[in-house]
Amino acid sequence: AQKVTQAQTEISVVEKEDVTLDCVYETRDTTYYLFWYKQPPSGELVFLIRRNSFDEQNEISGRYSWNFQKSTSSFNFTITASQVVDSAVYFCALREYSGAGSYQLTFGKGTKLSVIP
Amino acid sequence: DTAVSQTPKYLVTQMGNDKSIKCEQNLGHDTMYWYKQDSKKFLKIMFSYNNKELIINETVPNRFSPKSPDKAHLNLHINSLELGDSAVYFCASLGGGVKVCNQPQHFGDGTRLSIL
Repeated sequence: AQKVTQAQTEISVVEKEDVTLDCVYETRDTTYYLFWYKQPPSGELVFLIRRNSFDEQNEISGRYSWNFQKSTSSFNFTITASQVVDSAVYFCALREYSGAGSYQLTFGKGTKLSVIP
Repeated sequence: DTAVSQTPKYLVTQMGNDKSIKCEQNLGHDTMYWYKQDSKKFLKIMFSYNNKELIINETVPNRFSPKSPDKAHLNLHINSLELGDSAVYFCASLGGGVKVCNQPQHFGDGTRLSIL
């Protein structure tokens, strides 16, 4: 079973539409950390947000917002009023303790977002 | 200032060759990683080193050998390259300390390896 599931492989929206990217995770740890990364066509990985398992407050940063719900093991990401520059592959990731003072980051398979002008 | 730098950015070589990818971080981080991103964009961890010691070694062919000469460097050497090794390889680092778990990993820009 996948630890991080991003069920949407590809999404296309028209500019200015809102779009939500889904992420469902699976872990037995009581303490864990969730991340979203963006990979634009240029290829680099850009950190967007982190959330720990004790903090269920939703967060808004400009046009981006994140909805973390432990009850459903989900950490969804919404872009409001999408723009062409938002076109990228978005990865959700789960960090768990892997022993010896180290942490392992497991990525979902990514959702490719295309924003059409 | 580049935090995590990988060289080369592009690597084109023939099957059967041996090649290395270098990674350096200037953040003073304790842990470094190598990830492989395949053609379907799937990112999977390969290795993790903490203070020059191997911590994570996922199911990776033993043709891949990481080497950490010091805490700031984690190089990846690949022997007898195969077509299936074509991918983008990302190096990353993570700091130490009590709150390390809450910090994002810093990624290099990736090395695109193409096997002819």
